[in-house]
Amino acid sequence: EDQVTQSPEALRLQEGESSSLNCSYTVSGLRGLFWYRQDPGKGPEFLFTLYSAGEEKEKERLKATLTKKESFLHITAPKPEDSATYLCAVQATTGANNLFFGTGTRLTVIP
Amino acid sequence: DSGVTQTPKHLITATGQRVTLRCSPRSGDLSVYWYQQSLDQGLQFLIQYYNGEERAKGNILERFSAQQFPDLHSELNLSSLELGDSALYFCASSGRSYGYTFGSGTRLTVV
Repeated sequence: EDQVTQSPEALRLQEGESSSLNCSYTVSGLRGLFWYRQDPGKGPEFLFTLYSAGEEKEKERLKATLTKKESFLHITAPKPEDSATYLCAVQATTGANNLFFGTGTRLTVIP
Repeated sequence: DSGVTQTPKHLITATGQRVTLRCSPRSGDLSVYWYQQSLDQGLQFLIQYYNGEERAKGNILERFSAQQFPDLHSELNLSSLELGDSALYFCASSGRSYGYTFGSGTRLTVV
């Protein structure tokens, strides 16, 4: 059965304090690993898709990396506007092509 | 604006009632996915439609049903509502790429 575990559940950072969010996954075959950002009461906003181990993608202060068992979302010098819940999801090569989500990491960046 | 439109944004109804949530996918996307997000749970996949046909089912209750119309918009019908059905309901659409685009959601409150 597909499983996605995100840690930590919540993270508080001072503005400028870099850190990483973890997403561990178990899937029969990985078609893609997705990162989304979700603000309270709003829909998830797409950030990155990673397809194979060793792949990296960057966008502004965010960088996502992928290994065979986990993905990291690195946040460099965060700003208060980076405060949100970050969701990780996997899409398997077998079965339905829906996304299977973790429960997210709630990030708070303090000015 | 993500291009995925969900209506209504908010819905308050009584237990035992029936409601219909509507989703218009991003232009050109043939797949529509419905997800439920409760306070204590992550995004739970309910059902997928592709070009008018049901493609995959997740943890969808028998009291819930959905359909996709020829113009590709989709409706999620929730009946015999219970307090525990209170949640955010999201629709997402996808096209040729594996990425999903989410709508802003419908917040359902059952009283």
